[in-house]
Amino acid sequence: DVKVTQSSRYLVKRTGEKVFLECVQDMDHENMFWYRQDPGLGLRLIYFSYDVKMKEKGDIPEGYSVSREKKERFSLILESASTNQTSMYLCASSLEGRDGYTFGSGTRLTVV
Amino acid sequence: QKEVEQDPGPLSVPEGAIVSLNCTYSNSAFQYFMWYRQYSRKGPELLMYTYSSGNKEDGRFTAQVDKSSKYISLFIRDSQPSDSATYLCAMNQYSSASKIIFGSGTRLSIRP
Repeated sequence: DVKVTQSSRYLVKRTGEKVFLECVQDMDHENMFWYRQDPGLGLRLIYFSYDVKMKEKGDIPEGYSVSREKKERFSLILESASTNQTSMYLCASSLEGRDGYTFGSGTRLTVV
Repeated sequence: QKEVEQDPGPLSVPEGAIVSLNCTYSNSAFQYFMWYRQYSRKGPELLMYTYSSGNKEDGRFTAQVDKSSKYISLFIRDSQPSDSATYLCAMNQYSSASKIIFGSGTRLSIRP
């Protein structure tokens, strides 16, 4: 079974802090994704990556950046955390779209 | 108008009932259709995957796609309390991984 592991389940950070969310997958998937999930808004794509060192903006990239230095690892960076970035963050990976995505368990981030 | 519309519920049914969950969509180019199940405080997991129109059955679950009406359904037979979760429909145009579009999810509760 593919595993997508997100390093933290719960995080509390202060406004203005730089925040790193880490995601690792163990099945050599090319594609990795970061979403945030909010009540009533569903899943919104922040960034995705098709290959090492490649990244593309999703629907809501503002305030975020990403890094993919190794195939198995995709990091989401909040450059200066703000309270409106309080959310559930979900990482996913896939080989091809026909297989769907495999999601991690999520990181619930609270910015105070 | 959202590309994918899904009634958020909540939907509450007695154990053993047949459950019908639905989504409508506007983009006629969608070809791949998925249903994800998300338990509380977990990431979504892929439940069903179908290509184009027709039905697909897996145990107690049946996914149905009607491309002419731009309407997809998930049926759960003999529903169990363990089926209580949020169900998200998802779809995309290509077999590549880009831009899977998710519905906002329907919260389902099965009463013992």
